[in-house]
Amino acid sequence: NAGVTQTPKFQVLKTGQSMTLQCAQDMNHNSMYWYRQDPGMGLRLIYYSASEGTTDKGEVPNGYNVSRLNKREFSLRLESAAPSQTSVYFCASSVHVGQTNTEAFFGQGTRLTVV
Amino acid sequence: DAKTTQPPSMDCAEGRAANLPCNHSTISGNEYVYWYRQIHSQGPQYIIHGLKNNETNEMASLIITEDRKSSTLILPHATLRDTAVYYCIPQAGNTPLVFGKGTRLSVIA
Repeated sequence: NAGVTQTPKFQVLKTGQSMTLQCAQDMNHNSMYWYRQDPGMGLRLIYYSASEGTTDKGEVPNGYNVSRLNKREFSLRLESAAPSQTSVYFCASSVHVGQTNTEAFFGQGTRLTVV
Repeated sequence: DAKTTQPPSMDCAEGRAANLPCNHSTISGNEYVYWYRQIHSQGPQYIIHGLKNNETNEMASLIITEDRKSSTLILPHATLRDTAVYYCIPQAGNTPLVFGKGTRLSVIA
């Protein structure tokens, strides 16, 4: 099982460029998430999707857009990259069972540098 | 305000039990307590979760106080590979995980 797969693993962008970070999960999970992690900090939620066809803002959504393409895929787009968006980006997925979520599975991260 | 309070760092001798505390005094009645860890720069990894009873799995034990205002994660025999940042996260229903700063555990040979 691949679990949660993120592409690319590394990326360098120039200020103002755009790009899309891809995330796919093969566990038939309903919920998917995008987080960013700056050096020495905890993860901060950018956007999440509780089910196919829905998306919601997290703590730090400004400068990002997302698309829940289907149940498997959840992409994160930077329309005009800024140096403040230099970070490690993690995608995660989980499934809701009863009163709680099951464990969340995380990808290995995309290391993005904006120069 | 942060939902949890964890010590920024802890050390533990290899082979000894590591006891990581977490205060979550404002936890809601329907929130579970989840523990995750992040080894170096990898994606976080689930460890264990519980509502009000103590829980144990192959990785760790979770002790939750009767008033549910605090919990302790126990790694019974810490190894060097357990060196990581450990996050305690209250979570309810179909809501996203909200990470705090966690505890950096260093296991020392």
